[in-house]
Amino acid sequence: KAGVTQTPRYLIKTRGQQVTLSCSPISGHRSVSWYQQTPGQGLQFLFEYFSETQRNKGNFPGRFSGRQFSNSRSEMNVSTLELGDSALYLCASSPRLRDRAYEQYFGPGTRLTVT
Amino acid sequence: GENVEQHPSTLSVQEGDSAVIKCTYSDSASNYFPWYKQELGKGPQLIIDIRSNVGEKKDQRIAVTLNKTAKHFSLHITETQPEDSAVYFCAASMGWGNTPLVFGKGTRLSVIA
Repeated sequence: KAGVTQTPRYLIKTRGQQVTLSCSPISGHRSVSWYQQTPGQGLQFLFEYFSETQRNKGNFPGRFSGRQFSNSRSEMNVSTLELGDSALYLCASSPRLRDRAYEQYFGPGTRLTVT
Repeated sequence: GENVEQHPSTLSVQEGDSAVIKCTYSDSASNYFPWYKQELGKGPQLIIDIRSNVGEKKDQRIAVTLNKTAKHFSLHITETQPEDSAVYFCAASMGWGNTPLVFGKGTRLSVIA
């Protein structure tokens, strides 16, 4: 079974621009979560989508948004990029099945650099 | 909210020795505790997890223990090998309906051949 895929893997943007990152979960998984990983703050939760609805949201500004499509694929968008948004953005999918509701499997991430 | 502390931040062991990484959590409502291994240039890989109704779980050379009373859990790796070298993260979650994982800051494990 294919794992979580994220595109693009690397991205360089300029301050003020916006960016869209894409995530395809493991086949059959209906939940997608996004995390930001930085050396200083570690891994921090951004938001979770399940059945095209945002179910949870972390403590990030409104510049960070996301959505999920009917095929469970998800995108996240960051508008008006700031230097501090440089990070590895990780997508995690979960089966959300009764006995495996908790498990989350991560993709390789998208490395975003803001200059 | 939940807070997860992880120690040590770096750990060096000789090949064949055991490695132990410890985490504490603050919210007694947390009931799911996974451990992830992250290698350079890759995303975190789920290596083992434990739920609050279990005190210990083993998978070959890896084991995790949970002490709910003290609110701490530990990862034990026996017979370490060079390929075990990576950054390890612990996390805590309240599970279904509140699935965001709260992560520790990570432990960089180096296994010296």
